[in-house]
Amino acid sequence: QVQLQESGPGLVKPSETLSLTCTVSDYSISSDYYWGWIRQTPGKGLEWIASTYRSEITFYNPSLKSRLSMSVDTSKNQFSLNLGPVTAADTAIYHCARRRMSGSVFDYWGPGILVTVSS
Amino acid sequence: DIQMTQSPSTLSASVGDRVTITCRASRSLGVWLAWYQQRPGKAPELLIYDASILEAGVPSRFSGSGSGTEFTLTISSLQPDDFATYYCQQYSDYSTFGQGTRVEIK
Repeated sequence: QVQLQESGPGLVKPSETLSLTCTVSDYSISSDYYWGWIRQTPGKGLEWIASTYRSEITFYNPSLKSRLSMSVDTSKNQFSLNLGPVTAADTAIYHCARRRMSGSVFDYWGPGILVTVSS
Repeated sequence: DIQMTQSPSTLSASVGDRVTITCRASRSLGVWLAWYQQRPGKAPELLIYDASILEAGVPSRFSGSGSGTEFTLTISSLQPDDFATYYCQQYSDYSTFGQGTRVEIK
């Protein structure tokens, strides 16, 4: 059973960079799947952020692309997200998830981490 | 951007009811649409992909249909576990989600 767990600061100041890590257990992130991030807010619902395949191919949400980067650390079986500079609109629950190669559906999700952007 | 519109936003139903949720896309998706269930405080769970294929382990009372711009999720006989929020997701062009349909107890 694939398990994903998000980690990172729960509070980020406006104009700073939000950095999150997803640790994957019981499955190698070097296998044939994409790994991605989705965020959730009461106002905008679920919003796909980005997906990456071994750092070789990365897709970013066009509306966020200029502020985004993703990376993969296969030695730690982790992947990470950097988003910045942030504003209050980036306050959300951030989920990491596994995405299938054929068809961009997310079949395993982490429980999510609440990140608040506030001074 | 492809916009996804779900209806209704909230649905009140009783155990045993047949329930249908609709998702409409701003342009044709083919069959590149998925449905997820989310319970409070939990992550979404994949129910259906490619419009009508049931994910392994999902009860057969869930079914999906449609193609192009109009899709439906049907629960044939609502069970207590099914009171949750349901989201559609298009993956024809990047990925966007519907705003969700909350299924509540009548």
